[in-house]
Amino acid sequence: KQEVTQIPAALSVPEGENLVLNCSFTDSAIYNLQWFRQDPGKGLTSLLLIQSSQREQTSGRLNASLDKSSGRSTLYIAASQPGDSATYLCAVEWGGKLIFGQGTELSVKP
Amino acid sequence: DVKVTQSSRYLVKRTGEKVFLECVQDMDHENMFWYRQDPGLGLRLIYFSYDVKMKEKGDIPEGYSVSREKKERFSLILESASTNQTSMYLCASSLAGRGDTQYFGPGTRLTVL
Repeated sequence: KQEVTQIPAALSVPEGENLVLNCSFTDSAIYNLQWFRQDPGKGLTSLLLIQSSQREQTSGRLNASLDKSSGRSTLYIAASQPGDSATYLCAVEWGGKLIFGQGTELSVKP
Repeated sequence: DVKVTQSSRYLVKRTGEKVFLECVQDMDHENMFWYRQDPGLGLRLIYFSYDVKMKEKGDIPEGYSVSREKKERFSLILESASTNQTSMYLCASSLAGRGDTQYFGPGTRLTVL
């Protein structure tokens, strides 16, 4: 069985800080890993997708890394802004399905 | 841009009612999915479909059924709604095959009284 864990569950930082969100998974036989953003009461927006053969992906101020052998991924957010406040979810594609973590709720204070 | 729309943002129904949740995507995607999202449990897959008239059970299909008569539309049906089906329901679609990004709709918050 695949289990995805995200730490911390919640994080509050002042504007401008660089921060790291963590995701771990128990079975390394994944096809890919995705990071999503979810605003309160809304759907999910895909941020980054890392294929299992890749080590990292970057988009603007976001950088996601993947260490498949150790079952870990990190999402690095540079120079955080209040608009980054949201819940961040990671998900692994495993057995033909997406398995989600429970998310990290990020609050960036002005 | 891919657009996934869901028929209602908020819905309130009574126990025992038959409930239809509709999802439409406009990018000719092969795959469509229904999830529910609950505090402390995260997102869980209810049903998915890789083609018209095709459906597969996800992790929690009990109490639900689905219909996919046209490629762009995937409906989730609660035959007899119960209070434990109060949840946020999210629809998603992806192009085809493995490894494609799933695009999500805005969600329907269903309350069953």
